[in-house]
Amino acid sequence: GAVVSQHPSRVICKSGTSVKIECRSLDFQATTMFWYRQFPKQSLMLMATSNEGSKATYEQGVEKDKFLINHASLTLSTLTVTSAHPEDSSFYICSAVGTGKETQYFGPGTRLLVL
Amino acid sequence: DQQVKQNSPSLSVQEGRISILNCDYTNSMFDYFLWYKKYPAEGPTFLISISSIKDKNEDGRFTVFLNKSAKHLSLHIVPSQPGDSAVYFCAATLNRDDKIIFGKGTRLHILP
Repeated sequence: GAVVSQHPSRVICKSGTSVKIECRSLDFQATTMFWYRQFPKQSLMLMATSNEGSKATYEQGVEKDKFLINHASLTLSTLTVTSAHPEDSSFYICSAVGTGKETQYFGPGTRLLVL
Repeated sequence: DQQVKQNSPSLSVQEGRISILNCDYTNSMFDYFLWYKKYPAEGPTFLISISSIKDKNEDGRFTVFLNKSAKHLSLHIVPSQPGDSAVYFCAATLNRDDKIIFGKGTRLHILP
């Protein structure tokens, strides 16, 4: 099946720094990618919808200035957590949409720990 | 407000028996329902889906049942295998806009 990769898989950073997470669709073009975050024992929460060549659409309550999303090509979307704080520590997962609903492929996730 | 609810945080089932995972939803406009399986530190993987116009979909050991009047769906796994131990997310989509709304998940333990 189609593969979506995320890099890095795990990152530890100091409070106040910015962290960039990459999401790549490896063998298909994805006009739409989604970014989720998951806190322990909670559901996957959609943060934003990333469309190639246009501005991301953020879900209610998600700060667009804090979570910068860039979808510069059909195979790459990036999420930058700016001025990260300990409460941003979470598991961030991206997904890329293929040709149908079942074909929304998820990346392996990125574990962010902000000290 | 949680639109997709999985009220059982965990479930233990003997290997070889049937696992039944339940899910309730509140939005009658959902048009598509999906089940995902997730291992720790990995992204979810798609298992099976069902359109709102159907009441049953079967794929190998996995069957999803949809009861629209009760706004309830369930995932049946039979026979359960050790590799089925994971967190299962029920999810739904609205008006085919590709956004997926997830439940909180149910952790399934398959006992030897």
